Amino acid sequence: DAKTTQPTSMDCAEGRAANLPCNHSTISGNEYVYWYRQIHSQGPQYIIHGLKNNETNEMASLIITEDRKSSTLILPHATLRDTAVYYCIVLTSGTYKYIFGTGTRLKVLA
Amino acid sequence: GAGVSQSPSNKVTEKGKDVELRCDPISGHTALYWYRQRLGQGLEFLIYFQGNSAPDKSGLPSDRFSAERTGESVSTLTIQRTQQEDSAVYLCASSSYLTSERGYTFGSGTRLTVV
Repeated sequence: DAKTTQPTSMDCAEGRAANLPCNHSTISGNEYVYWYRQIHSQGPQYIIHGLKNNETNEMASLIITEDRKSSTLILPHATLRDTAVYYCIVLTSGTYKYIFGTGTRLKVLA
Repeated sequence: GAGVSQSPSNKVTEKGKDVELRCDPISGHTALYWYRQRLGQGLEFLIYFQGNSAPDKSGLPSDRFSAERTGESVSTLTIQRTQQEDSAVYLCASSSYLTSERGYTFGSGTRLTVV
């Protein structure tokens, strides 16, 4: 599975959009980009995933560049409850072993 | 149940003792995973069960670690002769085969402290 690179930490003002970048320059054609988040003292929570096209659900949007070497998770209106560690993971279709890095620690400021 | 349930939520044990950690997956989920998370670090894969297939044990760090699952129900992770480096949060997750590409549901974990 391809390796991902994320900034260690980010701050975002409450109510503003939080844009979390992820680099995955060695991604292969059959590898999906997944995003999870982990709020303190809880297990990780699935947010969204995509292959090539941009995706949106009730939690977030995922923008994947045309060359698929990077992506951005967008939380459109961040709240204090979005403070968490966000993990970007690349996973080959049909496999199951997530390789978690250290993620981005997002702090939403009041 | 509504979510993945793990017990106990916290466990303190003396070095050298054996511990058992339990995971109740979401009903109907055929796949079950165990991960370990040391303080301030990401998650490490330990073991994966899928239905009646042979489990993938490739992530177990030593032969002191073992896990069992009966059918598609409860799983138990056992650590024998615990060491201080075993201190971590042990997380269990489950997924349905049909929806596995939509992500897993994790439990809240068991925090193990070896003193």
